Amino acid sequence: GAVVSQHPSWVICKSGTSVKIECRSLDFQATTMFWYRQFPKQSLMLMATSNEGSKATYEQGVEKDKFLINHASLTLSTLTVTSAHPEDSSFYICSARDENRGSGANVLTFGAGSRLTVL
Amino acid sequence: EDQVTQSPEALRLQEGESSSLNCSYTVSGLRGLFWYRQDPGKGPEFLFTLYSAGEEKEKERLKATLTKKESFLHITAPKPEDSATYLCAVWSGGSYIPTFGRGTSLIVHP
Repeated sequence: GAVVSQHPSWVICKSGTSVKIECRSLDFQATTMFWYRQFPKQSLMLMATSNEGSKATYEQGVEKDKFLINHASLTLSTLTVTSAHPEDSSFYICSARDENRGSGANVLTFGAGSRLTVL
Repeated sequence: EDQVTQSPEALRLQEGESSSLNCSYTVSGLRGLFWYRQDPGKGPEFLFTLYSAGEEKEKERLKATLTKKESFLHITAPKPEDSATYLCAVWSGGSYIPTFGRGTSLIVHP
């Protein structure tokens, strides 16, 4: 089945530094990937849609200069949290849709998530 | 705007005690309803997709059903390893981005 690999699984950084999170589709190509943020006991909040070869589409209220998304290939999307602050601490999860399964399925496969802690 | 409401927020069961989780939704033109399982500190894992009212799907101790207004995830004789958060999501209209509910946190005690 479709597998999405996300790295790192956890990261601790100092306030003001930038952190990059990678999301790879291992056995399928994904022209579109999605980045979510999840707070404790809350649902998944869609941050942005990553589009291969073009600019990401950000959800309302998400700062595009704070959360830089790059989707340089059909199997890799990256999220960079720039000048991180403690309030950026959260669980970030990426997902992708295996388009070979057909648009009728629309099943998202999720990565294992990345726990970011900003000191 | 699509809305998904899951209840209860949390559920504690004894091993073997069957129960159901509810997912109520309001959408314009349902194209699919998804159930995912999420373990602590992990990403969601796909369980089922239901496409139309009356449809049912089963996987081990889990059975998902769908009506025009809600979906149920029935758990029969649960085991401690079924403990997780169960998320419901709906896909509708012209967008392929599903809307997620807040989830039900299930704890099964041995």
